Parts: sequence; C-alpha cells; structure tokens
Amino acid sequence: AQSVTQLDSQVPVFEEAPVELRCNYSSSVSVYLFWYVQYPNQGLQLLLKYLSGSTLVKGINGFEAEFNKSQTSFHLRKPSVHISDTAEYFCAVALSGGSNYKLTFGKGTLLTVNP
Amino acid sequence: DVKVTQSSRYLVKRTGEKVFLECVQDMDHENMFWYRQDPGLGLRLIYFSYDVKMKEKGDIPEGYSVSREKKERFSLILESASTNQTSMYLCASSRVGQGYGYTFGSGTRLTVV
Repeated sequence: AQSVTQLDSQVPVFEEAPVELRCNYSSSVSVYLFWYVQYPNQGLQLLLKYLSGSTLVKGINGFEAEFNKSQTSFHLRKPSVHISDTAEYFCAVALSGGSNYKLTFGKGTLLTVNP
Repeated sequence: DVKVTQSSRYLVKRTGEKVFLECVQDMDHENMFWYRQDPGLGLRLIYFSYDVKMKEKGDIPEGYSVSREKKERFSLILESASTNQTSMYLCASSRVGQGYGYTFGSGTRLTVV
C-alpha cells in the first residue's frame, strides 16, 4: 500500500519570502501525485498534479512542485508568498493503473504567512 | 462550475441520535467518498462508492454506514452518534481513473454533545 509523509506539520514564513512544503511518498509501483489546499472552514481545492511527463508541474496561485522519483518526493514551492496563501496544504498519492482509485493523503502542513 | 454540495455546514446533535450527512454532486462522477478530518490526523477515509448501490469500507468505517441510491447522491449515516464522532466531514467525488483527483465539498462540521 502507498503512504505519504509530510515532513513539517507547521511552516511559518514572512510575506514575500520563498517557501517549500515537503512531501515524501512510498509505493512499490508508479504513482500519481497531488497537492491540495484548504483555506479556513472550506473544503480542499486542487493546486496541481503530476501524472507523467515533465517532472516540474505548475499549478494555480503561483505554486509549483517537482517530482523526484529517486528521492520519492514531490515538494511544493512558491518563490514569494502572500498573506492569502495562509492555509493547510495536503499532499496525496494514487496508484497509477489498476482499479485502486483511492487517494492517500498526508497529514497536512499548515502554512502561516506573517506580515 | 462543477460542484459537490454538502447539505449542512454546521450540525449539532445529541449522543445516541441517528445522523444523516448528505452529499450531492452535479458532475456525473462515478466515485464518491466520505472522509473525516481531525487536527493532527489529516484526512481519513470512512467509506467510498464506485457505483450506485455499491460501497466499500475505508480505513475507519466503524460506527458509520452509507447509502448511494442515485449516482449523484452519497449519504453518510451515523447510526448512534457519539462524542468521538465530533469532527469535520468531507465529501468528495471523482471520475473513474486515478489521474483525475477529487472534487471536494465545503465540509460539514459535526458536534455531538
């Protein structure tokens, strides 16, 4: 079975600073990878996903993530954060192929952007 | 815009009550899911359904049941609510195929007193 580890439960940063939210996964087969964002009192919204092809994936709101197969990582980055990026971020993995269409989520990283 | 709608944003119920959480999607998605979200524990899958009248247990099905009589509607049922079921409940749907990801509803915050 696949699993996801988000290495930081909380990441505080100052506005306009760069940020990296780390995600590692374990799986014995090929995977699809996702990042979701959850703003306070809302559901989760898809930020970006990696299915195949280029390992650098660009998403909404200026976020990007890089798939590294050898490191089994899918870290999320933004070069300059805004106050409005304050939210919880979830990494998720699904097995590619077969009938297993469940996503497995990490426990989340709370990003707090301070003025 | 595609939508997953959860009928209540906030609910307060008493211990022992039977509770129904409703979820409707308008995207003709085959798959639907119920998660609960608790601080420090992330999202945990309760049940999912890949077709009408079909269901499978997730990681934490105890104390819950589900119903899917129509493709667009997936209900989560707490047979006898307990205080440890106080949580945020998230419904999601997806097309068949793992690459599509999920579309989530806004969540229902349930408090059992």
